[in-house]
Amino acid sequence: GQNIDQPTEMTATEGAIVQINCTYQTSGFNGLFWYQQHAGEAPTFLSYNVLDGLEEKGRFSSFLSRSKGYSYLLLKELQMKDSASYLCAVKDDYKLSFGAGTTVTVRA
Amino acid sequence: DGGITQSPKYLFRKEGQNVTLSCEQNLNHDAMYWYRQDPGQGLRLIYYSQIVNDFQKGDIAEGYSVSREKKESFPLTVTSAQKNPTAFYLCASGPKKQNYGYTFGSGTRLTVV
Repeated sequence: GQNIDQPTEMTATEGAIVQINCTYQTSGFNGLFWYQQHAGEAPTFLSYNVLDGLEEKGRFSSFLSRSKGYSYLLLKELQMKDSASYLCAVKDDYKLSFGAGTTVTVRA
Repeated sequence: DGGITQSPKYLFRKEGQNVTLSCEQNLNHDAMYWYRQDPGQGLRLIYYSQIVNDFQKGDIAEGYSVSREKKESFPLTVTSAQKNPTAFYLCASGPKKQNYGYTFGSGTRLTVV
C-alpha cells in the first residue's frame, strides 16, 4: 500500500515563498504528482516528477528524491488566489494514491 | 471540448436508498476512477477500471458498486450498505501513459438525510 504524509496547514504572506513537503512509502512508484484544489472544486494538475531533481513551471516548482521518499512543492511570489489545498499523490502501476492535503492560506 | 462530466452536482437522498452517480468522459481515456473526499481527509479510492467490462476494488469499496459497459461511462452506485455515504465524490480518468495524471470531474456532493 501507500503511506503519504504532508502538513495539514500552512500560512504565508502575499508575495512570499512557501514550501510544502511530502514524504511517502510505497509498494510501487511510477511518479509523484501535485494537485491544487480550491474548496468545493475538482483537483487540477500542477506538476509531475518521476526522476530525481527539480521541475520548474512558472511560479511553481516541484522536487523529488526517490531514495529519500521525499518531495516538495515550492510556491513563489504568492498570490491571494493561491489559497487552496495542495495534494501530493503517488502513482503505482495502476492508480494514484493521495495524501490528506495541505491547506495554504495566503494573507495580505 | 474534451472533458469529464459528473452529474448531478448536488444530490440528496433518504437513508436506506440506493443512489447512482454519473460519470462520462470524452477524452478517449482507458482508465477511470472513483474517489471519495471527506472534510480534512485526502481522496480515498473507491473503485477503478483499466478497461471496459473490468474493474477493481480500491481502498474503501464496501457499500459501493460500479459498472464499465462503455469506455466513456463509469457510474457509481452508493448502496444502503454504505454506513456514512454523505461525502464529496470525484470521478477521474486517465490514459495508459505512466507520466500522465488524471483529469477530474467537477464532483458530486451527496447528502443523505
